[in-house]
Amino acid sequence: AQSVTQLDSQVPVFEEAPVELRCNYSSSVSVYLFWYVQYPNQGLQLLLKYLSGSTLVKGINGFEAEFNKSQTSFHLRKPSVHISDTAEYFCAVTSGTYKYIFGTGTRLKVLA
Amino acid sequence: DGGITQSPKYLFRKEGQNVTLSCEQNLNHDAMYWYRQDPGQGLRLIYYSQIVNDFQKGDIAEGYSVSREKKESFPLTVTSAQKNPTAFYLCASRSDRIPYNEQFFGPGTRLTVL
Repeated sequence: AQSVTQLDSQVPVFEEAPVELRCNYSSSVSVYLFWYVQYPNQGLQLLLKYLSGSTLVKGINGFEAEFNKSQTSFHLRKPSVHISDTAEYFCAVTSGTYKYIFGTGTRLKVLA
Repeated sequence: DGGITQSPKYLFRKEGQNVTLSCEQNLNHDAMYWYRQDPGQGLRLIYYSQIVNDFQKGDIAEGYSVSREKKESFPLTVTSAQKNPTAFYLCASRSDRIPYNEQFFGPGTRLTVL
């Protein structure tokens, strides 16, 4: 069985500071990994994905993530956040079946 | 523009009523999904469908029903058997091209029981 753990439920950070949102997964098979962003009362929007190849993945809005197979992690980073990055972020994993497993989300609060 | 539409955006239900949430996609995706979102619990899978006229229960299917008569449409009915239906409901779809790719999400429907 697969699982996803987002270690921080809330992360406050000042504007223009760097941020890292942590995601760890558990799986006995190869996985595909995703980060989504959700603004209030909206659906999820894909930030980036890791399917294969380079372990450093760049996404939209200046976000990037690094796949670390030995540590089973896929942490999301941004070197300088903006007020508009305030949202909830979800990490998700699939092994290629129809089922996706989502983490419980991390609320990023960017402070002025 | 291709995408997923959900309607209505807000829905109010009285105790004992069945309500149906609409989900339509024009992405030509085979797979479609329904998720329930509650604060602090992430997304929980209700039902999914791989092809027309076929669907499977997810982790929390009790009190819900679906149909998949057309590739583009995957409506969800919240029945009176669902004891705590107040939540945010998200529909998603996915292409079946390998390597398996991301899910695309609709804007969601917020259901409130009065």
